[in-house]
Amino acid sequence: DTGVSQNPRHKITKRGQNVTFRCDPISEHNRLYWYRQTLGQGPEFLTYFQNEAQLEKSRLLSDRFSAERPKGSFSTLEIQRTEQGDSAMYLCASSLMAEAFFGQGTRLTVV
Amino acid sequence: KQEVTQIPAALSVPEGENLVLNCSFTDSAIYNLQWFRQDPGKGLTSLLLIQSSQREQTSGRLNASLDKSSGRSTLYIAASQPGDSATYLCAVKTGANNLFFGTGTRLTVIP
Repeated sequence: DTGVSQNPRHKITKRGQNVTFRCDPISEHNRLYWYRQTLGQGPEFLTYFQNEAQLEKSRLLSDRFSAERPKGSFSTLEIQRTEQGDSAMYLCASSLMAEAFFGQGTRLTVV
Repeated sequence: KQEVTQIPAALSVPEGENLVLNCSFTDSAIYNLQWFRQDPGKGLTSLLLIQSSQREQTSGRLNASLDKSSGRSTLYIAASQPGDSATYLCAVKTGANNLFFGTGTRLTVIP
């Protein structure tokens, strides 16, 4: 499969725990994005990488959120001290030119 | 801030009918507009990308148009099939790195 891959697909965690999600973009894509989607809403932008550089962060990305793309390939999104409001679908996308391609997402449920 | 609106929020049609989904955006200074399909609990599948200099794009039974000056795009689906049932999202890219999404139109095609 040469599409964008996200793991895990589902994550249930207790409030206050830390979670980490992984995204493997399409191999030649230098741009990588993270979005968050809550039920009935469109995805909202969180952060953007070009190669290994994190060039843009949304105000939605509080201090509890951190994203990395250490070698310009895969990326991780970590949420520390999870809250119930963090429950959402976390989507990763990658692009080389104009068109963005999305993964299947990681569904996070904080209980 | 760019705002994207999709009307209607939900649409139910009998199989075989042609239909139009609408998308409007408030800031006409866009780089491109992309239509996506999302099945329940899944990620986004890219359907069509229209660059800001283009008026329309076609793929199979799908045709998307763009009127940048009026801030509108339409997605036309010909001869709808039950397999077309999904949520359709439009997104505009403004600046270099961010996609702004609408809340989607949930389409049901009745056999």
